[in-house]
Amino acid sequence: DQQVKQNSPSLSVQEGRISILNCDYTNSMFDYFLWYKKYPAEGPTFLISISSIKDKNEDGRFTVFLNKSAKHLSLHIVPSQPGDSAVYFCAASGVNYGQNFVFGPGTRLSVLP
Amino acid sequence: EPEVTQTPSHQVTQMGQEVILRCVPISNHLYFYWYRQILGQKVEFLVSFYNNEISEKSEIFDDQFSVERPDGSNFTLKIRSTKLEDSAMYFCVIGDSSYNEQFFGPGTRLTVL
Repeated sequence: DQQVKQNSPSLSVQEGRISILNCDYTNSMFDYFLWYKKYPAEGPTFLISISSIKDKNEDGRFTVFLNKSAKHLSLHIVPSQPGDSAVYFCAASGVNYGQNFVFGPGTRLSVLP
Repeated sequence: EPEVTQTPSHQVTQMGQEVILRCVPISNHLYFYWYRQILGQKVEFLVSFYNNEISEKSEIFDDQFSVERPDGSNFTLKIRSTKLEDSAMYFCVIGDSSYNEQFFGPGTRLTVL
C-alpha cells in the first residue's frame, strides 16, 4: 500500500539548471509534507516542509509546491549544484493521521557538473 | 552539530541473538522514534515514544521489539531474537512536536547473518 509515491527512482540534471522532484500521495488525511535529503552513510536531513493551508513554500534555492486537489507535491531546486546530488525523500503526515511520517521510496538526484 | 547520535554505527549479529541499538539525543526532546530502511526499500516507521511510553507503533514492531529510556536520556531499541529480515539501517529520530519536522540520527546498520 504505497500511500506516498515518488515515481522517478532517479533524475539527472545539469549544474545550474532546475531540478524538479515529484511526489504523489493517496491518503486525503495527510496535511503536512516534508522533503528530506539523504547522502550515503548518513541519516536523512530535513530540507523543507509545507502544510496544506499553503500551496507554496520557499527557502533559498528550494521551493515546494503543493496541489491538494491532485494530491501532488513537487520540490524545485534552482539553480542545481553538484552538492545537491543525493536521495530525496518525500514524507507525509497529518494532525489526524498519527505521529509518524510515511515516506516515499526516494528519488536519486544526480547533478552533473 | 547533530541533534542525535547513535551507537554502534554497524552491528553484525547471528540470527536468534539479541541486539540493542542506542540513541543519544544531544539536548532534551519530547518525542522519540525509530525508523528503519531495508536496503533498496523505503524508510519505514517502527515506533514513537512520548512521555516514557510507546504512543504509536507499526505492524513491523512486533513482540520481538521493545524500546525504553532507561536513564531518561539514552533511547534504546532492543530486538530479542533477530531474524535475517531484520537486517536494515535503523534510524533514531527525535522531535519536539508530533506534528513537525523530525531530526534523524546517522543510523545503525544492522546485519543479521
